[in-house]
Amino acid sequence: GDSVTQMEGPVTLSEEAFLTINCTYTATGYPSLFWYVQYPGEGLQLLLKATKADDKGSNKGFEATYRKETTSFHLEKGSVQVSDSAVYFCALSDPLSGAGSYQLTFGKGTKLSVIP
Amino acid sequence: EAGVTQFPSHSVIEKGQTVTLRCDPISGHDNLYWYRRVMGKEIKFLLHFVKESKQDESGMPNNRFLAERTGGTYSTLKVQPAELEDSGVYFCASSRDRGFGDTEAFFGQGTRLTVV
Repeated sequence: GDSVTQMEGPVTLSEEAFLTINCTYTATGYPSLFWYVQYPGEGLQLLLKATKADDKGSNKGFEATYRKETTSFHLEKGSVQVSDSAVYFCALSDPLSGAGSYQLTFGKGTKLSVIP
Repeated sequence: EAGVTQFPSHSVIEKGQTVTLRCDPISGHDNLYWYRRVMGKEIKFLLHFVKESKQDESGMPNNRFLAERTGGTYSTLKVQPAELEDSGVYFCASSRDRGFGDTEAFFGQGTRLTVV
């Protein structure tokens, strides 16, 4: 079945450091890919998404490119801030999984802490 | 516009007791999803409502879990009797249209359930 593997955390960075959180996936068809973020005390929020190969999703300075050849969707940010401290989840939605596009398959999450 | 609201935010119950979680979706959202994150593991799909109908309940772990959405508005998820392995964070999400690729789903802040 479908699966998402993302780098284990926690990740601790200094402010203004470069961030990469790796995410790779296994899917039956051509999934849509997502990054969700959960800030402390809040619910999951969609950070960015890409629905086809070579698409780049971007939001709040974060970027991720849908790489079909490497089945990857790595999250990057050039300069992190303390306010970026959160848990980040990579996810996919696969229309050919048998369940239609109505389910999200998540990775385990990566906790990011940014220190001043 | 109010977001997805979940009650309670935390619940601690003893093994064998019953707990009912509630989710109020965004007004006008016909699609409602329940997900669960067990400690240290991925967020897993439980079920999907379209209005008051269960569209997909393939993720429900066993018959101790009962979800309802009477009138197609709020939803409840009852666990009876609760077991230790039911501990985790239960998320609810809602969306206007089905799926995640072409429409955005909004998540609640989650209910943290601890069974002791």
